[in-house]
Amino acid sequence: IVMTQSPDSLAVSLGERATINCKSSQSVLHRFNNKNYLAWYQQKPGQPPKLLIYWASTRESGVPDRFSGSGSGTDFTLTINSLQAEDVAIYHCQQYYSTPLYTFGQGTKLEIK
Amino acid sequence: QVTLRESGPALVKPTQTLTLTCNVSGFSLSTGAASVSWIRQPPGKALEWLARIDWDDAKYYSTSLKTRLSISRDTSKNQVVLTMTKMDPLDTATFYCALELSTGRFDPWGQGTLVTVSS
Repeated sequence: IVMTQSPDSLAVSLGERATINCKSSQSVLHRFNNKNYLAWYQQKPGQPPKLLIYWASTRESGVPDRFSGSGSGTDFTLTINSLQAEDVAIYHCQQYYSTPLYTFGQGTKLEIK
Repeated sequence: QVTLRESGPALVKPTQTLTLTCNVSGFSLSTGAASVSWIRQPPGKALEWLARIDWDDAKYYSTSLKTRLSISRDTSKNQVVLTMTKMDPLDTATFYCALELSTGRFDPWGQGTLVTVSS
């Protein structure tokens, strides 16, 4: 399954909303449990990725509620409300539908405008 | 607190075999139902999943790299080892190991180790 993110990079002003999209080449929605096998990670400079969201919209424990995930099937969105300086990072989507042949998007670099 | 730490050579020559070790702390690979995966990231590029070993010793590999990869674990040392043969400059990347307590969710990750392939 090929994961494609858009845009490759974006610059958003502090306090504004950032929106990152992720599209999968086939549906990652499992019919038997109606769950989307899609996760989002945040990777700050010089650090490993950190799990933010799984099942497309479930926030990992400790993740601020300004981060939200949405979408289903093949189209997904990560939204960051009220952008903070600490949110500067590369964001990656990942599908785990074809476990264990996981695939990631190419990453989206988020900067402050 | 669960932590993972990768170790291995920073530089390998083309055609050589790379061996990386992932040391896991705070979680027992012999008693806990979890998987450990290796994932790499070439400089400025996307993450690429490489291999996974499960609690029952089941092993899985990237389709495109399976002929070059081998994953194993030493439960007595709480370690997972990845070997990658026939290294090429295009294999230059930061290699991460990550714990998978729930299907498909990598958390936490190790800090990563940069491996450069050059003569």
